[in-house]
Amino acid sequence: DVKVTQSSRYLVKRTGEKVFLECVQDMDHENMFWYRQDPGLGLRLIYFSYDVKMKEKGDIPEGYSVSREKKERFSLILESASTNQTSMYLCASTQGKVYEQYFGPGTRLTVT
Amino acid sequence: GENVEQHPSTLSVQEGDSAVIKCTYSDSASNYFPWYKQELGKGPQLIIDIRSNVGEKKDQRIAVTLNKTAKHFSLHITETQPEDSAVYFCAASRANDMRFGAGTRLTVKP
Repeated sequence: DVKVTQSSRYLVKRTGEKVFLECVQDMDHENMFWYRQDPGLGLRLIYFSYDVKMKEKGDIPEGYSVSREKKERFSLILESASTNQTSMYLCASTQGKVYEQYFGPGTRLTVT
Repeated sequence: GENVEQHPSTLSVQEGDSAVIKCTYSDSASNYFPWYKQELGKGPQLIIDIRSNVGEKKDQRIAVTLNKTAKHFSLHITETQPEDSAVYFCAASRANDMRFGAGTRLTVKP
């Protein structure tokens, strides 16, 4: 079974802090994604990556950056956390195009 | 870009009844339509998917139908059970551009 793990289930940070969310997948998938999930808005794509050191902006990249130094690991960085970034963050991976995305359990981030 | 609308946002049914969730999409080039179930405290998990060359797909109590002309697809759950209670998301995708609906919270009352 594909496993996607995220570094934290719950995280509380202060406004202005730099926040790192890490995601690791164990199936050698090429593609990795970061979404945020908010009530009534579904899942919105922040960034995605097709390969190591490669990244593409999604629909809501402002205030975020990403890093993919190794194929199995995709990190989401909040350079200076703000209260409007309080949300559930979901990482996903997939092999190839037009296939099922496998999701991690999510990180619920609260910025105070 | 693609826009996916999902209805209803909440759905409550009695155990044993059927549940139907509907989605519409805007991009006629979308060719992959998965449905995800998200239980409390977990990430979404795929429950069924359909590709654009197929009109209907069934897996035990769940089925999905796709009408490409009208650009809508639906999830049908028959003989609902309390463990079907969760949030369900539809999505429409082409290549790696996957767009999700806002979700439906399904509650199955015993």
